[in-house]
Amino acid sequence: NAGVTQTPKFQVLKTGQSMTLQCAQDMNHNSMYWYRQDPGMGLRLIYYSASEGTTDKGEVPNGYNVSRLNKREFSLRLESAAPSQTSVYFCASSGTGGWSGYTFGSGTRLTVV
Amino acid sequence: GNSVTQMEGPVTLSEEAFLTINCTYTATGYPSLFWYVQYPGEGLQLLLKATKADDKGSNKGFEATYRKETTSFHLEKGSVQVSDSAVYFCALTLTQGGSEKLVFGKGTKLTVNP
Repeated sequence: NAGVTQTPKFQVLKTGQSMTLQCAQDMNHNSMYWYRQDPGMGLRLIYYSASEGTTDKGEVPNGYNVSRLNKREFSLRLESAAPSQTSVYFCASSGTGGWSGYTFGSGTRLTVV
Repeated sequence: GNSVTQMEGPVTLSEEAFLTINCTYTATGYPSLFWYVQYPGEGLQLLLKATKADDKGSNKGFEATYRKETTSFHLEKGSVQVSDSAVYFCALTLTQGGSEKLVFGKGTKLTVNP
């Protein structure tokens, strides 16, 4: 099925470890996004990529880096995980014209101990 | 700044009850407005949208009207079902840096009891 695929679905890290969350979309969308979801906070934008080759900071970028590898793939990296980064991470994509809405992946539940 | 405020949850209703979830927004210009739904353990799905004032978005018995004069986009359903239990997010788009970005409210958890 067409859509946004995220891997892994679950991950437990120790404080200080690093990892990369993967995201791929097959809808030929230009823009891709990483959000984190925390109880009572809704979804907050970490980074986004308006088009292949560009990335920009969102609302909560500290502690994260991203790579727009090609038009399909947008990865999120935690260089040195902290307990405050325990969250559910969602990748999304959109075509031209945000009025069409976003397509979301099913999420990665990350726990940092 | 641009923001979305929606009613605090949780909301608990009996099956066939009427549902209203309030949403108001603050935005420069004329945003598009959305309601997303998140079922347990899943990602967000677009429920409905409206792109200009007085537009009514509707889907699966839910509807919301874009009210520019009150800067509101309240979600309503006449008769809820147990399967409507989920978290509902109101959102708007704004254009920054050449990209449309969604700004979300904090979500309202709905539980429908049989």
